[in-house]
Amino acid sequence: AQSVTQLGSHVSVSEGALVLLRCNYSSSVPPYLFWYVQYPNQGLQLLLKYTSAATLVKGINGFEAEFKKSETSFHLTKPSAHMSDAAEYFCAVNGGAGNKLTFGGGTRVLVKP
Amino acid sequence: SQTIHQWPATLVQPVGSPLSLECTVEGTSNPNLYWYRQAAGRGLQLLFYSVGIGQISSEVPQNLSASRPQDRQFILSSKKLLLSDSGFYLCAWSVRGGNQPQHFGDGTRLSIL
Repeated sequence: AQSVTQLGSHVSVSEGALVLLRCNYSSSVPPYLFWYVQYPNQGLQLLLKYTSAATLVKGINGFEAEFKKSETSFHLTKPSAHMSDAAEYFCAVNGGAGNKLTFGGGTRVLVKP
Repeated sequence: SQTIHQWPATLVQPVGSPLSLECTVEGTSNPNLYWYRQAAGRGLQLLFYSVGIGQISSEVPQNLSASRPQDRQFILSSKKLLLSDSGFYLCAWSVRGGNQPQHFGDGTRLSIL
């Protein structure tokens, strides 16, 4: 069975500061991991995906994530926050029949000017 | 390119009324299809998924049902809505095969009065 834990339901960062969103996973098989972003009243948009090709994954909007098997982590970072990064972010692990995803509880990011 | 459409975008319904939400995918064949619900302040809950026409798997017991009458059409229904059915409903699709990301529609905001 798979599970995902996102540490911190809310994160507040200053514009221009580092964004770090934490994700730890549990999986009985080699995991495929994803980060999604959700803006208010919209669906989820895929930011990036880890599919075992490279441990450092670059995504859209300047985000990247590093897969660390020893720490069972897949943390999301962005060097410099922009006001447009204010949104909710979800980490997910793939597994089970039907290509189902298991999502973390989400982290809402607030960017202060 | 592939696109996913959900409608309506918002819906206000009285308790006890029926429900039909529709989702269609364009630009791909034989997708896996999914219905999720986001309740206020809560994460994503997978309601149903389908790997083919007429094949529906239910993840949680509830008064909702799903149908897939055509390859790229997924419908969420209820005969009698409850107050607890309020939420943001998201449809998603993925390519068949393991470890593929899901791609989400823009969602339907359902309010029950």
